[in-house]
Amino acid sequence: GDSVTQMEGPVTLSEEAFLTINCTYTATGYPSLFWYVQYPGEGLQLLLKATKADDKGSNKGFEATYRKETTSFHLEKGSVQVSDSAVYFCALRYNQGGKLIFGQGTELSVKP
Amino acid sequence: DARVTQTPRHKVTEMGQEVTMRCQPILGHNTVFWYRQTMMQGLELLAYFRNRAPLDDSGMPKDRFSAEMPDATLATLKIQPSEPRDSAVYFCASGSGSGTDTQYFGPGTRLTVL
Repeated sequence: GDSVTQMEGPVTLSEEAFLTINCTYTATGYPSLFWYVQYPGEGLQLLLKATKADDKGSNKGFEATYRKETTSFHLEKGSVQVSDSAVYFCALRYNQGGKLIFGQGTELSVKP
Repeated sequence: DARVTQTPRHKVTEMGQEVTMRCQPILGHNTVFWYRQTMMQGLELLAYFRNRAPLDDSGMPKDRFSAEMPDATLATLKIQPSEPRDSAVYFCASGSGSGTDTQYFGPGTRLTVL
């Protein structure tokens, strides 16, 4: 079945460091891919998405490129801030408008 | 600023009691999802509806859980009887159900079953 695997956390970085959170997926077709972010005590918010191979999603300085050949959707940011501390979830959605399948989440902690 | 609302935000109950969680999707959204988040299992889908009809409830323990949409503005998730292993955060999300729509999540209901 379809699944998403993320790198384990927690990831601890200093402010202004470069961030990569790895995400790979297994899917029988051509899903859309998503990154959601969850701040402490809150629900999930969509960070970015890509709907087809080679698409790049971007938002708030974060980027991820849909790589069909490596079945990956790694999240990157060039310079993290303390306010980026949160849990990041990679997800796929195979059917249009259907359910999201999430990775296990990666906790990011950014220190001043 | 349209949002998904959930009530209650926190619920503490004793084993065997009935628990009802409510969700108000964003007006105009026709797809509603219930997810459960635990440390062990992460985020998993329990059930989802489109135009108030259940499309997939395969993630839900049928013997004790039930999900309904009495009308387009209200979705409910009920547990009867509740058990300690049901302790989790339950999220509702809604979407327009078309194309590459975004799912918008509510703040969640944190359930503790003693």
